Amino acid sequence: GEDVEQSLFLSVREGDSSVINCTYTDSSSTYLYWYKQEPGAGLQLLTYIFSNMDMKQDQRLTVLLNKKDKHLSLRIADTQTGDSAIYFCAETREDNYGQNFVFGPGTRLSVLP
Amino acid sequence: DSGVTQTPKHLITATGQRVTLRCSPRSGDLSVYWYQQSLDQGLQFLIQYYNGEERAKGNILERFSAQQFPDLHSELNLSSLELGDSALYFCASSVMGDFNYGYTFGSGTRLTVV
Repeated sequence: GEDVEQSLFLSVREGDSSVINCTYTDSSSTYLYWYKQEPGAGLQLLTYIFSNMDMKQDQRLTVLLNKKDKHLSLRIADTQTGDSAIYFCAETREDNYGQNFVFGPGTRLSVLP
Repeated sequence: DSGVTQTPKHLITATGQRVTLRCSPRSGDLSVYWYQQSLDQGLQFLIQYYNGEERAKGNILERFSAQQFPDLHSELNLSSLELGDSALYFCASSVMGDFNYGYTFGSGTRLTVV
């Protein structure tokens, strides 16, 4: 399909791991991104991965990239209530107007105490 | 504070009216991007300016226009407003014309058309 796809909702218990999945479309994307949006705020860049990498780890965050399946995932270890937010994956895509970010619909992560 | 400033934070206006949303990019960033976030359409790219020039255009309606001024701040003008234009409008900025290291987003302007 043409869209970047994500499941819309995820609930986990505090202390568990969260895994947010994304399927992207443009195999030529150089970078793939994860953004976090807290209530009432803008999007904050969490992390990004270069397309020639399989994995990137940054403290509690692990990004896995499967280029063959065009699948990107974000794992949050030891999930905390402060991690409750909407998480967007994004790819870069070239169209008639040049390069552009294309965002998925966002996954709303709810962390239960 | 991300360094990208958007004003106003909230705006309520009537159908048929015109509004102007303002964005000041992060210091040193030359590119400004405008996005619309609504419940049914998700995050939609509207338009990009780089150093005063329009660089890319997305799903921007003809009733909407934007510009970037010499001091690099940008304004998004929305006219003949309709109920469906109610949304969060985000501005983002980046250092170069491309964005390999990601954008920095402002906190948005929430527009309500009644």
